[in-house]
Amino acid sequence: NAGVTQTPKFRVLKTGQSMTLLCAQDMNHEYMYWYRQDPGMGLRLIHYSVGEGTTAKGEVPDGYNVSRLKKQNFLLGLESAAPSQTSVYFCASSPSGGVAGVPGELFFGEGSRLTVL
Amino acid sequence: KNQVEQSPQSLIILEGKNCTLQCNYTVSPFSNLRWYKQDTGRGPVSLTIMTFSENTKSNGRYTATLDADTKQSSLHITASQLSDSASYICVVSSLEYGNKLVFGAGTILRVKS
Repeated sequence: NAGVTQTPKFRVLKTGQSMTLLCAQDMNHEYMYWYRQDPGMGLRLIHYSVGEGTTAKGEVPDGYNVSRLKKQNFLLGLESAAPSQTSVYFCASSPSGGVAGVPGELFFGEGSRLTVL
Repeated sequence: KNQVEQSPQSLIILEGKNCTLQCNYTVSPFSNLRWYKQDTGRGPVSLTIMTFSENTKSNGRYTATLDADTKQSSLHITASQLSDSASYICVVSSLEYGNKLVFGAGTILRVKS
């Protein structure tokens, strides 16, 4: 019953450093997403993927890159971390289908807390 | 602009009491509305989904209502338990392709013994 697994769960970076967050899902879902959650704000979509080999920008994509080389994995990269990227990052997946591309239920990982000093 | 507003921002109630959380949205055209529960340090988990034609849906002690005319939804929790302490997030999706999901900021509920 793994569901959606994120690694690492915690990370502290210095400004300018790079890192990659890994998301893995074992539910054979087509759609995968990366969100960030900041205090007092709703979850905001960074990037998403509607299938293996595809990626698309979300609401707040600047400063992030993603890759979906395998269906079960979705990687989020920060090339040059900035203090504004201090946040909790959530990966989610959902099965394909839905109306006009609108996804169904999202299954979330437990989050990755990133601090950029 | 598509928005989802939740109220109250936070709420403290005694164990065993009932409470109601509100969600107002301006998302259009409307597809569905979900309520998620997010325990501290965990990812959100779906509680219920409301589509345009549904007025009320229950999931155990949780009952969600939807008024698509006034664009309002509520989540009623009956006989609260300590385990209900969490953030409750309202998420509205649109029929418009490319307009994925709009998240509310959540209501933080604390149940005291």
